[in-house]
Amino acid sequence: QKEVEQNSGPLSVPEGAIASLNCTYSDRGSQSFFWYRQYSGKSPELIMSIYSNGDKEDGRFTAQLNKASQYVSLLIRDSQPSDSATYLCAVKGTGKLIFGQGTTLQVKP
Amino acid sequence: NAGVTQTPKFQVLKTGQSMTLQCAQDMNHNSMYWYRQDPGMGLRLIYYSASEGTTDKGEVPNGYNVSRLNKREFSLRLESAAPSQTSVYFCASSAKSTLGNEQYFGPGTRLTVT
Repeated sequence: QKEVEQNSGPLSVPEGAIASLNCTYSDRGSQSFFWYRQYSGKSPELIMSIYSNGDKEDGRFTAQLNKASQYVSLLIRDSQPSDSATYLCAVKGTGKLIFGQGTTLQVKP
Repeated sequence: NAGVTQTPKFQVLKTGQSMTLQCAQDMNHNSMYWYRQDPGMGLRLIYYSASEGTTDKGEVPNGYNVSRLNKREFSLRLESAAPSQTSVYFCASSAKSTLGNEQYFGPGTRLTVT
């Protein structure tokens, strides 16, 4: 079992829809959770961090954390073509930060 | 603020050649990291430096060495490049001295070893 798992996609949504990106992790001791956006040929850019159960909202982005289910998600409301990118989930367990392989999101006009 | 900068942006090496990738940050961060990113493998940690004067191995350290020159600079050296080291290399930094705090990435170095 991979330590941090994401569906590689691509996830295709129409412009204006809600995109839902999911991530599961194996280390029950994990305390810190991050979402990065990576455009093709560019470096990862931190867009959200979440440390406690529940929802955290920042503009069109909402991160959701459920430690009991070992599950973290990212919702993007009113998706725009400019949101088309690969989204990396990163989890800090008892050791180092572990990245998932990313989910590719395609927002179609 | 430039954030995290890396040089060079692109590099082509022949097998057996050596080179050093440079990284600098101007955010006064304590911790710095080197990752490689390969298709289908995600981001893998090569080495990190939790604070000035310390370095530790990550997931894939073989074939690499690092130097934390000062608080701002963290370099990655390939002593004898191999085709398996063809990859995109990212440097990152974070404010606290433990792994996992918010990390900020540089633009990357695209390395090809022939």
